[in-house]
Amino acid sequence: DAMVIQNPRYQVTQFGKPVTLSCSQTLNHNVMYWYQQKSSQAPKLLFHYYDKDFNNEADTPDNFQSRRPNTSFCFLDIRSPGLGDAAMYLCATSRPTGGGETQYFGPGTRLLVL
Amino acid sequence: AQSVTQPDIHITVSEGASLELRCNYSYGATPYLFWYVQSPGQGLQLLLKYFSGDTLVQGIKGFEAEFKRSQSSFNLRKPSVHWSDAAEYFCAVGALRATGNQFYFGTGTSLTVIP
Repeated sequence: DAMVIQNPRYQVTQFGKPVTLSCSQTLNHNVMYWYQQKSSQAPKLLFHYYDKDFNNEADTPDNFQSRRPNTSFCFLDIRSPGLGDAAMYLCATSRPTGGGETQYFGPGTRLLVL
Repeated sequence: AQSVTQPDIHITVSEGASLELRCNYSYGATPYLFWYVQSPGQGLQLLLKYFSGDTLVQGIKGFEAEFKRSQSSFNLRKPSVHWSDAAEYFCAVGALRATGNQFYFGTGTSLTVIP
């Protein structure tokens, strides 16, 4: 089945230690998104790639970076995680259709910062 | 500016009872509307979506939603709730941008189902 895969499902890191979260997709979608979701809150868009074009949200901290080496993979790098970065990180994909395309979400990676 | 409001933070219903989750949106153009469900520790699963046409849309798991332009609403309904429906429900509006469709999510409604 075509899908969005996130690895790992759970990630524990230390305060200030860089961490990378991974997302891959078999849907061949042009657009890949990264969201941060804290407990009992709505997902918050951090940034997204339209093909190779990176689009950062204005309020995304510089501590968060992303890479998309090819269509299938997208990475979220947190350079110096703080306690406030503990959250669920969701990857999503979509294919622009000129209308309201659907976003397809992965299962998420739960990040714990010690 | 685009926004989505889910007025009910938490709802409790008995198994077998009917369910309605409210969603109101603010958007200047024709909205693209979605309902997602999220089980604990999981990602978001699409329940249904409205792009155009029939204002009553059917989704998975027996859910339906009705788009009412005059009320700027897109409420989710289910005639008979099952215990497995307990989850967090998010309404979202999709806004077209040149760089892809941006979603604006509501803050979610947590559903508890009691036996």
